[in-house]
Amino acid sequence: QSVLTQPPSVSAAPGQKVTISCSESSSNIGNSFVSWYQQLPGTAPKLLIYDNNKRPSGIPDRFSGSKSGTSATLGITGLQTGDEADYYCGTWDSRLSAYVFGTGTKVTVL
Amino acid sequence: DVQLLESGGGLVQPGGSLRLPCAASGFTFSSYAMSWVRQAPGKGLEWVSTISGAGGTTYYAESVKGRFTISRDNSKNTLYLQMNRLRAEDTAVYYCAIDGLYSSTSLLNYWGQGTLVTVSS
Repeated sequence: QSVLTQPPSVSAAPGQKVTISCSESSSNIGNSFVSWYQQLPGTAPKLLIYDNNKRPSGIPDRFSGSKSGTSATLGITGLQTGDEADYYCGTWDSRLSAYVFGTGTKVTVL
Repeated sequence: DVQLLESGGGLVQPGGSLRLPCAASGFTFSSYAMSWVRQAPGKGLEWVSTISGAGGTTYYAESVKGRFTISRDNSKNTLYLQMNRLRAEDTAVYYCAIDGLYSSTSLLNYWGQGTLVTVSS
């Protein structure tokens, strides 16, 4: 029961920037940390951002995360063809005692 | 290197059972909570279950509560998902993942490659 809303798709030319929003109507995001995951075609998801804005080692600084109130945002600068993937936000909902994912966003490099 | 290797997937009839192991290596298994996440064909990610490092605390998605059981054997560095009373809508790739590898507040830090479960007659 996904309660985090993302745009179905975003696109931009190589080298440009895209942002992906993750929003919800209740207070899940406002009270907990948000993570972002990248899923390249045919592969398992990979953690891109954790604790709202931290990058695991090996993730380039072209990827950034932020959170404000009940919304979180993933930014990708210097877009590359290798960034074409599905991106998901996620957070632990302490009221549900469950992890919830966003609806997913497909990034297309034009 | 951290490694997670799921296995046990396959074709099972509706109402049947299946157990998925996830073999872990490259980290201190018992120190970390672990989770299962699934993805139906062409669909998004769905969290299934989480278990604490010692195994004493578990959480389940409403869609699997009462049918699935998560467990772990820390002596074997292996996570399990016992799936009973399977339904067609349980058809998905099942991933295991490590929680808290990067911080105590972050989940699903590292994922296995997944195993496909198909529920069909």
